[in-house]
Amino acid sequence: AQKITQTQPGMFVQEKEAVTLDCTYDTSDQSYGLFWYKQPSSGEMIFLIYQGSYDEQNATEGRYSLNFQKARKSANLVISASQLGDSAMYFCAMREGGTGGFKTIFGAGTRLFVKA
Amino acid sequence: EAGVVQSPRYKIIEKKQPVAFWCNPISGHNTLYWYLQNLGQGPELLIRYENEEAVDDSQLPKDRFSAERLKGVDSTLKIQPAELGDSAVYLCASSDYGNTIYFGEGSWLTVV
Repeated sequence: AQKITQTQPGMFVQEKEAVTLDCTYDTSDQSYGLFWYKQPSSGEMIFLIYQGSYDEQNATEGRYSLNFQKARKSANLVISASQLGDSAMYFCAMREGGTGGFKTIFGAGTRLFVKA
Repeated sequence: EAGVVQSPRYKIIEKKQPVAFWCNPISGHNTLYWYLQNLGQGPELLIRYENEEAVDDSQLPKDRFSAERLKGVDSTLKIQPAELGDSAVYLCASSDYGNTIYFGEGSWLTVV
């Protein structure tokens, strides 16, 4: 069965430091996609980064990178040079599917606090 | 390019009253989703449309929730009658088939 696990309910990081948010997943599909979203207090879910299961390179988008370890079924988000505006909830999500349609599920989230 | 638009942004109603949420997806996106998000939790899928067809509504409480997507564009999610436990954020999202899902700002419902 499809499952996403985020084991860190909350994380603290000092401004300008790097932080890693953990995500593990479980799927029997060979083809799937992994996503990270940011949700600030305003409530909107903001897409950050995507990694396909067949992508050999780790995805990067500006200060965000996804540490994809397929054998371990992990897709950790790394935020470099943290900024105060990075304080938010972060959700890991996985999409799998094909003939039955694409289904995307989300983890429980990690709340990140950036300290000045 | 305009994003996913939802309304109303906030709604407070008394229990047993009806409520409706409206969503306009990103232009050209054929797949539309309604997610429910309780406080401190991740979004949970209520219903997914491919064009006009509801292809996954297994998590939609059909005794009180209904949804429609006329002409394969805008969608409406209705709750009738609302219960106290329905207080949550209702997120609409869209995607170009199975690609990245983009979300609206959400409709925050409080049932008193």
